[in-house]
Amino acid sequence: GAVVSQHPSWVICKSGTSVKIECRSLDFQATTMFWYRQFPKQSLMLMATSNEGSKATYEQGVEKDKFLINHASLTLSTLTVTSAHPEDSSFYICSARIRAGGSGETQYFGPGTRLLVL
Amino acid sequence: AQRVTQPEKLLSVFKGAPVELKCNYSYSGSPELFWYVQYSRQRLQLLLRHISRESIKGFTADLNKGETSFHLKKPFAQEEDSAMYYCALVLGGGADGLTFGKGTHLIIQP
Repeated sequence: GAVVSQHPSWVICKSGTSVKIECRSLDFQATTMFWYRQFPKQSLMLMATSNEGSKATYEQGVEKDKFLINHASLTLSTLTVTSAHPEDSSFYICSARIRAGGSGETQYFGPGTRLLVL
Repeated sequence: AQRVTQPEKLLSVFKGAPVELKCNYSYSGSPELFWYVQYSRQRLQLLLRHISRESIKGFTADLNKGETSFHLKKPFAQEEDSAMYYCALVLGGGADGLTFGKGTHLIIQP
């Protein structure tokens, strides 16, 4: 159980276009999903927290108008990179959180989406 | 702000030898600590968390609040343990996403 999928797994686009990445929790409902970005040979950096039915919370330095997040249902969050530029090329990973009661929380990760902006 | 430090980018040990992956954190509160593992060409997956006090695949990690450490240990390394290991924390209350260390690439030599 606790499987998270992402689509697409990779995408190449031209500079100036927008790209949408989907994150789905397949066998559980996730009121909270997270979006991370990982540059080559670096660690995952949290971009934003996505709560179902409300506005996303962005980390400092992440442009909310550039990285649009929508969490319309308990199983789907989308990240849209608007007017993508080469510096947006990265590996984008989502996670969905399950609260395990007294054992604390657990985040389950998607396989990631590799974005290359030409 | 909270921070997670993994001092070793790369750790290479022989099969059967003990393994210790170091992790230190800085946060004045009481965070939840995790170890995540990423095997080659696979997604990030939870290895263990300090609250559960469990042993997974022979790995254990003890939270030392005095030293603000959460080192990952295994007494006898196996070749299938070769992977990227990330230490991470989430602030108490679970309101935020994970803060990751930079990761340690563990290589188990035969």
